[in-house]
Amino acid sequence: GESVGLHLPTLSVQEGDNSIINCAYSNSASDYFIWYKQESGKGPQFIIDIRSNMDKRQGQRVTVLLNKTVKHLSLQIAATQPGDSAVYFCAEAGGTSYGKLTFGQGTILTVHP
Amino acid sequence: DTAVSQTPKYLVTQMGNDKSIKCEQNLGHDTMYWYKQDSKKFLKIMFSYNNKELIINETVPNRFSPKSPDKAHLNLHINSLELGDSAVYFCASSRRVAGDGYTFGSGTRLTVV
Repeated sequence: GESVGLHLPTLSVQEGDNSIINCAYSNSASDYFIWYKQESGKGPQFIIDIRSNMDKRQGQRVTVLLNKTVKHLSLQIAATQPGDSAVYFCAEAGGTSYGKLTFGQGTILTVHP
Repeated sequence: DTAVSQTPKYLVTQMGNDKSIKCEQNLGHDTMYWYKQDSKKFLKIMFSYNNKELIINETVPNRFSPKSPDKAHLNLHINSLELGDSAVYFCASSRRVAGDGYTFGSGTRLTVV
């Protein structure tokens, strides 16, 4: 079936470095993508989203890149801080997945002081 | 002023019991969801309601029955609990169907012993 996956389950960086979390999706009909951050004991928290008519979107310290040709999504976090340590999920919606978000596996980001 | 609130936060119960989890959102959203997160952090949709109408019902045992008395509430009742039901259950809401910026609750950790 259709799925959303991540290349790296864990990522460890030093404080101040830039982090890149990758995601591959397989449903070419998906037209909406979201990145979520989940801290321990909490629910997923919206970070940034992008629609399929865009290839880049920037927020505060975060940038999402969408490459529809290779069905790849990435989240870039600038000047990573210890508070960024969490599990990051990509999710997709649209097409045959209308009405629901399909989540990827998740990447654990650990930021060392 | 919690946006999506779930109760209880923790639930420990014996096999065979029946339990309910409640969810309320004060965002004025039309669509609400239940997601299950397993021990590997994988998030999978269970149900979705739009304006009190069931629109998504994934392959979930019929021991799970959602109920939406109004569009601000979506409760989950589970009959004859099994060990495999142990997980974290997340309620979420969105402004409209198709996953436009979900807001998640903080989760209910269910442990069946």
